[in-house]
Amino acid sequence: KAGVTQTPRYLIKTRGQQVTLSCSPISGHRSVSWYQQTPGQGLQFLFEYFSETQRNKGNFPGRFSGRQFSNSRSEMNVSTLELGDSALYLCASSPDSRIPYEQYFGPGTRLTVT
Amino acid sequence: AQRVTQPEKLLSVFKGAPVELKCNYSYSGSPELFWYVQYSRQRLQLLLRHISRESIKGFTADLNKGETSFHLKKPFAQEEDSAMYYCAGGGSNYKLTFGKGTLLTVNP
Repeated sequence: KAGVTQTPRYLIKTRGQQVTLSCSPISGHRSVSWYQQTPGQGLQFLFEYFSETQRNKGNFPGRFSGRQFSNSRSEMNVSTLELGDSALYLCASSPDSRIPYEQYFGPGTRLTVT
Repeated sequence: AQRVTQPEKLLSVFKGAPVELKCNYSYSGSPELFWYVQYSRQRLQLLLRHISRESIKGFTADLNKGETSFHLKKPFAQEEDSAMYYCAGGGSNYKLTFGKGTLLTVNP
């Protein structure tokens, strides 16, 4: 099976702009989680989706949002970008919707905010 | 609050030496614990989960509920074990919490 794919792989944006990142899970996986990875904070949970429903959200401001489509593909959006949003954004999918912790990660989208 | 702590940012050992990467957790209830690994220029991937009690690439991890620890061990380190290791825990809220990681370097 093809792995988790994320697009785009790299993005450069300016403060104040907004950005949308996309994630396609492994075929058959219906749980999708998003993480922000930075050198200082490590991997921080953003949100988890299953069957188009957000089941949990991390401690991030409302500028961070996401959604999941009926085909399990997911997008996350960051509005009014700040310099501190520069990070690697990772998406992961899981075959187990009940306990979605065996996760398969994508390569990430590297976002740089200038 | 869920918390996973890896006290060592860096760990350096020689090939053939034993290695232990430490992980402590703070959870209410009965969490599931995992070790994930990221080799150079590769994706983050699952190494071990505590409920399977298996050995992967010679690594084992035992859940110690009394000490709230889930340390990762290997009796004889190999150079190819050099990587970033993350301990992670999940409860009943669909949220996987990662420690900050330990960079293991195995020297020849």
